[in-house]
Amino acid sequence: DADVTQTPRNRITKTGKRIMLECSQTKGHDRMYWYRQDPGLGLQLIYYSFDVKDINKGEISDGYSVSRQAQAKFSLSLESAIPNQTALYFCATSDPTSGGTHTQYFGPGTRLTVL
Amino acid sequence: AQKVTQAQTEISVVEKEDVTLDCVYETRDTTYYLFWYKQPPSGELVFLIRRNSFDEQNEISGRYSWNFQKSTSSFNFTITASQVVDSAVYFCALSAIGYSTLTFGKGTMLLVSP
Repeated sequence: DADVTQTPRNRITKTGKRIMLECSQTKGHDRMYWYRQDPGLGLQLIYYSFDVKDINKGEISDGYSVSRQAQAKFSLSLESAIPNQTALYFCATSDPTSGGTHTQYFGPGTRLTVL
Repeated sequence: AQKVTQAQTEISVVEKEDVTLDCVYETRDTTYYLFWYKQPPSGELVFLIRRNSFDEQNEISGRYSWNFQKSTSSFNFTITASQVVDSAVYFCALSAIGYSTLTFGKGTMLLVSP
């Protein structure tokens, strides 16, 4: 089984709808991240969490919210989806105890289309 | 502020050619990590290598090699004898030691033709 899973893998929704993307991990890592990837723009950080009680905004958090339900689960919500949120979304985890290297390991991605 | 520049948007080579992907970074931190990730057509992101700023030794792993030069703020990635399976988007990334957030470059798409 994959260490970092994301559901759904693909989603098509309409403008104005609320949508939640879910991420689960079995790596036992404390830190989790949400990124979005747009063609030609690389990955941009939306939110990150160092533990269940610690949530931080990334560079493009507007229009998004997150919930860290447990060490292993980190959800991303779009309260009212808009077409320019159409993108590939990645969840990632890292372990600060691994010599401080913070190597991030990514889930398979969720392709979201907002019509 | 940190910045990672991958000036090559797209590179096309024929199988068995050597290819180098460039990565230039900017940071005010004196200690930091540099990473390379691979994104094949299937879309997942695969970790390739991590290098810390106080270790400038080059690294080789099979057909892959990395050249880190602190003097020019570069961390270039060379694939020797490229293969079709190397076709992917490659991302260079940077993080300060002690911080876990990554700053990514925009990626270089490598197309290896048979």
